[in-house]
Amino acid sequence: AQSVTQPDIHITVSEGASLELRCNYSYGATPYLFWYVQSPGQGLQLLLKYFSGDTLVQGIKGFEAEFKRSQSSFNLRKPSVHWSDAAEYFCAVGAAGGNKLVFGAGTILRVKS
Amino acid sequence: GAGVSQTPSNKVTEKGKYVELRCDPISGHTALYWYRQSLGQGPEFLIYFQGTGAADDSGLPNDRFFAVRPEGSVSTLKIQRTERGDSAVYLCASSLILRDNEQFFGPGTRLTVL
Repeated sequence: AQSVTQPDIHITVSEGASLELRCNYSYGATPYLFWYVQSPGQGLQLLLKYFSGDTLVQGIKGFEAEFKRSQSSFNLRKPSVHWSDAAEYFCAVGAAGGNKLVFGAGTILRVKS
Repeated sequence: GAGVSQTPSNKVTEKGKYVELRCDPISGHTALYWYRQSLGQGPEFLIYFQGTGAADDSGLPNDRFFAVRPEGSVSTLKIQRTERGDSAVYLCASSLILRDNEQFFGPGTRLTVL
């Protein structure tokens, strides 16, 4: 069965510091991987996605993620965090051709000034 | 263009009542998904439509939950005999049936069962 683990429930970083949010997945085939962000009272917004090809993918708002098949990981990174990045971040895995997504439990990011 | 919309944004009901939650997908999106997000959790899949038919309803928790999409656009999630454990945010998403399966989410309906 597909599953996604986000080991960190909360992370606090200083504004301007770098960020890495961890995501590990379990999937029987080549996964399609996603990172979504959810601000309070807002819907889920897609940050980036990986399907194939280059294992380092760039997304919106300066985020990037790296797919490492050997570690079953898809960690999200940002070199310099802004206060507006405070939100909850979800990693998800899915299949090709339209199908359900399986989400992790989320990581809440707090940014301190 | 318009994104996915969901109505109502909030619904408070009493235990045992019937509720309907509506989702308007992005125009032209043939796939529609319902998820449920409980407090402190990630979204959990409920059901997926391709056009008018339910292609996968494996996530519906029991027979009190039912969803329809009669014309292949708007969908309604129906919950009978609501229980306090049904309280959650119900999310709808839509996508084109393409290889990349990028799903666009609505703002959700917060259901509270008293």
